[in-house]
Amino acid sequence: KNEVEQSPQNLTAQEGEFITINCSYSVGISALHWLQQHPGGGIVSLFMLSSGKKKHGRLIATINIQEKHSSLHITASHPRDSAVYICAGANYGGSQGNLIFGKGTKLSVKP
Amino acid sequence: ETGVTQSPTHLIKTRGQQVTLRCSSQSGHNTVSWYQQALGQGPQFIFQYYREEENGRGNFPPRFSGLQFPNYSSELNVNALELDDSALYLCASSSPSTETQYFGPGTRLLVL
Repeated sequence: KNEVEQSPQNLTAQEGEFITINCSYSVGISALHWLQQHPGGGIVSLFMLSSGKKKHGRLIATINIQEKHSSLHITASHPRDSAVYICAGANYGGSQGNLIFGKGTKLSVKP
Repeated sequence: ETGVTQSPTHLIKTRGQQVTLRCSSQSGHNTVSWYQQALGQGPQFIFQYYREEENGRGNFPPRFSGLQFPNYSSELNVNALELDDSALYLCASSSPSTETQYFGPGTRLLVL
């Protein structure tokens, strides 16, 4: 069974802090998505990873295929980073596959 | 290039009624996936359509059905609504060349 587990569930940080959100996934998932969801529902895709590391601005995502683990890091956090961050696993072995979502990490960055 | 749009944005129905939610894919995308997100939970996969055919289904009963049209827009239909169907319904479009799914803003359904 494909599963995706995230931690922590809730995270509060002070502006400027370095933030890490973790995601573990099960066998059968070949790619990991990191998504950002703001209040009101809109979801934005941040990264898709199947190996290595990706960086976009202050966001860095890493994945360790052997350990089936991925992390999302935010450097110099800012209150506008406050959102729910979701990791989602995908199996693209067949057709497009579907996404299996973690429960999300609610991040609140205080000024 | 237009993004993924969904309509309506909000909807209130009563138990037993039927509802149709709509999704317009991003230009060039031939695959649409639908997800249900209950309050405080991660989205759950309902089903996916690829070139007008159902291409995978999650653990949802048959009263959840869908359609994809030749222009790749899509509908999600839910019959005999139950209180637990209250949720945010998200659609996402993609294409074989991208693998990344692009999400719409969602339709928030409340069943009373």
